[in-house]
Parts: sequence; C-alpha cells; structure tokens
Amino acid sequence: AQTVTQSQPEMSVQEAETVTLSCTYDTSENNYYLFWYKQPPSRQMILVIRQEAYKQQNATENRFSVNFQKAAKSFSLKISDSQLGDTAMYFCAFMSSGSWGKLQFGAGTQVVVTP
Amino acid sequence: EAGVAQSPRYKIIEKRQSVAFWCNPISGHATLYWYQQILGQGPKLLIQFQNNGVVDDSQLPKDRFSAERLKGVDSTLKIQPAKLEDSAVYLCASSPDRDSNRGGKLFFGSGTQLSVL
Repeated sequence: AQTVTQSQPEMSVQEAETVTLSCTYDTSENNYYLFWYKQPPSRQMILVIRQEAYKQQNATENRFSVNFQKAAKSFSLKISDSQLGDTAMYFCAFMSSGSWGKLQFGAGTQVVVTP
Repeated sequence: EAGVAQSPRYKIIEKRQSVAFWCNPISGHATLYWYQQILGQGPKLLIQFQNNGVVDDSQLPKDRFSAERLKGVDSTLKIQPAKLEDSAVYLCASSPDRDSNRGGKLFFGSGTQLSVL
C-alpha cells in the first residue's frame, strides 16, 4: 500500500517570500501521478499542481513549482512570491495509474502567510 | 461552469441516529467520489462511481455506510447508525471521463461537516 508523509504540520512565511513544503511517499510502482491540493477555510480542495512520474521535467504553475526526485521518492512544493490568499492547508497526494481517481493524501501542512 | 454542490453544509446528530448527505456533480462528469476527512488528516476515499456503477468501495464501512448514484448524476451518502468516530467532513468530488491529460484533477465540493455527539 502507498503512504504519503508530510512532516511539517505548519509553515509560516511573509508576503513576497518563498516557502517550500516537503512530501515523501512510498510505492513499488513505476507509473503514478503526484499532486498538491490546497484547502482554504471554505473546505473546497483545489488542485495546485500535478506531476506525472514518467516525466523528468518538474511541473510549474505560475508561482508554484515542484522538485520531483523519483529515486528518493520526494515531491516538494515551492511557493514563490507568497500572497495572503495562499494561506491554506496544503495536501500532497499520490495516485497509481491503475487506480484512476483514487488519491492517497498526506496529513497536510498548514501554510500561514503574514503581512 | 457550476461547481460541485453539496448539502447540508453542517449536520449535528446523536450517536445511533441516521444521516444523509447529498451531492450534485459538475454536469457531464462521469465519475463521482465520496471522501471522508477526519480532523487533522487528509481525505480518504470511501466510494467511487463511474456513471451509476460502483468502481471502488473497498474502504466503505458497509455495515453502516451506503451510497447510491441515481441515473448517473446526483449521489447520496447515508450513515445508519452513526458512531462518534464518524465525525468528519464528507467531501464529494467529480471528474470527467478518464483523460491522461487531466488524470487526478478532481473537482471538489465544500463538504458537509458532521458532528456526532
């Protein structure tokens, strides 16, 4: 069974600064997908960024980028130029290519952006 | 496009009572999911529907939980009887047909927060 570990319960960052969230996972599979989802106080989960394991190039979405290290089973998220609206819980998630839509989530990291 | 709609937003019941949650997915989305999110944890998949058929219900406590998706559109999740440990946020999500370019992109509703006293 796959496990996803987020070791940082909470991170604080000032506006315009950069913060990096860590995520490690355990799997014996070769084909899979990794995600970062954001959950603001409204509770609605929103996809931030997606990485396919067979792609070596790290995914980027505007101010969000990942550092995907397949051999180390590490998938960190970097938020650049942090904004107050980035304050939320961030969840790392794993999906096997054989279990479409079944996401295995980590416990989450609370990000607080301060003025 | 309209998002995933869920109701109610909050529900408080006593243990051993019954409760039901409703979800209306994004129009045209074939796949619907119910996730359970216990406080301090990430969401856990309870059941996945493809149209009106069950794809995966391996983590659904079938002795007390049931779910249906009528006509492949709306879905209802029921708990009967509820236990204290069922206190959680129940999130509904939907996704279009399997698409390698969008795999894993689920569209979530705002959830129902259930408190069992």
